[in-house]
Amino acid sequence: NAGVTQTPKFRILKIGQSMTLQCTQDMNHNYMYWYRQDPGMGLKLIYYSVGAGITDKGEVPNGYNVSRSTTEDFPLRLELAAPSQTSVYFCASSYSMGASMYNSPLHFGNGTRLTVT
Amino acid sequence: LAKTTQPISMDSYEGQEVNITCSHNNIATNDYITWYQQFPSQGPRFIIQGYKTKVTNEVASLFIPADRKSSTLSLPRVSLSDTAVYYCLVVGNTGGFKTIFGAGTRLFVKA
Repeated sequence: NAGVTQTPKFRILKIGQSMTLQCTQDMNHNYMYWYRQDPGMGLKLIYYSVGAGITDKGEVPNGYNVSRSTTEDFPLRLELAAPSQTSVYFCASSYSMGASMYNSPLHFGNGTRLTVT
Repeated sequence: LAKTTQPISMDSYEGQEVNITCSHNNIATNDYITWYQQFPSQGPRFIIQGYKTKVTNEVASLFIPADRKSSTLSLPRVSLSDTAVYYCLVVGNTGGFKTIFGAGTRLFVKA
């Protein structure tokens, strides 16, 4: 199993450009997450999804969009890139049996390092 | 969501036992306590998870007192390769399973 796969590994964008960060998992996990991590800081939750067709905002959703058309894929879209979006982006997935029940630990991808200049 | 508080950084020497304590005063009944480890340029990696008392695996032990308002991650006989950031999280259905990371504890292991 590949686990959580993120592409690309690195990307440089100009201000105002758009791009999609890809994330796919092959563990049949129902929950998926996008985090960003600025240098020397902890992870901040951008968006998360509890299943196909369902997404919700995290701590820092502004400037991003997501979709979840399949269980496996959870792409993150930047429409108008800004220097403040320079960061490392991590995708993660987990399995949950539902509210009030056990939620498995998160499995993370290796990240996408994005620079906006 | 239960907020967690842990030391910003800790230093240790190879071969010592390291204990990192995390406080989570407003933990809810259905919440679990989970610890992750992160090396530079990598995503966090799950270490251990528990609900109450003591949990042990091949990597670490997790001690949770009866009131569950704190937890302690214990790393036995650390090595240089244990230098990393360690995150304590409280995860559960409160807040719809949003998994929020704090700043973590930077552990430096010296020779």
